[in-house]
Amino acid sequence: GQSLEQPSEVTAVEGAIVQINCTYQTSGFYGLSWYQQHDGGAPTFLSYNALDGLEETGRFSSFLSRSDSYGYLLLQELQMKDSASYFCAVRGGNTNAGKSTFGDGTTLTVKP
Amino acid sequence: GAGVSQSPSNKVTEKGKDVELRCDPISGHTALYWYRQRLGQGLEFLIYFQGNSAPDKSGLPSDRFSAERTGESVSTLTIQRTQQEDSAVYLCASSLVVSEYGYTFGSGTRLTVV
Repeated sequence: GQSLEQPSEVTAVEGAIVQINCTYQTSGFYGLSWYQQHDGGAPTFLSYNALDGLEETGRFSSFLSRSDSYGYLLLQELQMKDSASYFCAVRGGNTNAGKSTFGDGTTLTVKP
Repeated sequence: GAGVSQSPSNKVTEKGKDVELRCDPISGHTALYWYRQRLGQGLEFLIYFQGNSAPDKSGLPSDRFSAERTGESVSTLTIQRTQQEDSAVYLCASSLVVSEYGYTFGSGTRLTVV
């Protein structure tokens, strides 16, 4: 099976940098994804790491260490609109390529 | 279509009734996924389709839940004899292929069983 842990809440101020960590236990690993979800909205895909290292997409970066079963999402130059829930998700191995297991989400609150 | 469309957006039903939830994926997307999200929680995998086939149904909570997909397009999730614990937002997503990195989600159907 698969399980993921991420902090339930994080608070930061506008313009700051925040890191949301995710640790996982999985019987098969295909990659780690990150999604953003505003209240009442649909989750939107942010980034994906299949290999170790950092992936950068604008203000957002995501990191993966497969040996540590650990990843994080880094948000820079925080804006009020970044207040949302952030979910990490692990995609299973070859026999479960279509199944992603999600963490319970981290609620990010950005304060002025 | 431009995005993933789900209907209805809200559904209130009485305990014991059957409900059907519909998902129209992005045109040309071969993979389609159903997830359930209870209030304040993460997304719980239900089932996914590759074309019209469902290689993994392991997430369906009980035999009251079933899903089908036709024409490599629209999918229907059916819940029979609904129970109060079925109350949740049911999210559908699609991707071009199963191995695609990210999914495009619909806005979901909020199901309330009273």
